[in-house]
Amino acid sequence: DTAVSQTPKYLVTQMGNDKSIKCEQNLGHDTMYWYKQDSKKFLKIMFSYNNKELIINETVPNRFSPKSPDKAHLNLHINSLELGDSAVYFCASKGWGDKGTEAFFGQGTRLTVV
Amino acid sequence: AQSVTQLGSHVSVSEGALVLLRCNYSSSVPPYLFWYVQYPNQGLQLLLKYTSAATLVKGINGFEAEFKKSETSFHLTKPSAHMSDAAEYFCAVSGDGNKLVFGAGTILRVKS
Repeated sequence: DTAVSQTPKYLVTQMGNDKSIKCEQNLGHDTMYWYKQDSKKFLKIMFSYNNKELIINETVPNRFSPKSPDKAHLNLHINSLELGDSAVYFCASKGWGDKGTEAFFGQGTRLTVV
Repeated sequence: AQSVTQLGSHVSVSEGALVLLRCNYSSSVPPYLFWYVQYPNQGLQLLLKYTSAATLVKGINGFEAEFKKSETSFHLTKPSAHMSDAAEYFCAVSGDGNKLVFGAGTILRVKS
């Protein structure tokens, strides 16, 4: 079973559209994240949720809205897509409280805005 | 705030040669440090982690890393490179809010 799964794996869409990426983890973790990997492969955190509560919002445009219906799911909705949103988006999960535990990553969603 | 610097965006070694990927960290508290590997079009996979139990940490695929507080370093090594080691490697430190802060990554090329 895949520990952290994201859908879709690839997403090609036009500027101005609204799209969602879904993420689910079956590890029983309390904390989930969205990271953005840009064209230079730099990984930057966007959001962090702990047990459905928003913990981190790293100055991401408000066109990006995460939603956590339960602690096993963290979806990312993006409104009015722009060319600069093209990137690979990674979902991850981690146990809460112990900074020594590692994060588990999904396979990524490659978003291309045309 | 915590941060990580990876020296060298690209490292090229011959098959069988020593692999050394450099990572320096900045942290005001005792750090938790991680090395992840990313193969093309894939997610990140944990290689190893330092959580203060031992300064020399062994990971998967023959990799190891040594935590040196005096040098604020956590360099990744492997005695003998294999073609399958070609990938991008990320060093990370556990930061505020339980997030991981990543370095810019180092692409490892292995020549036959």
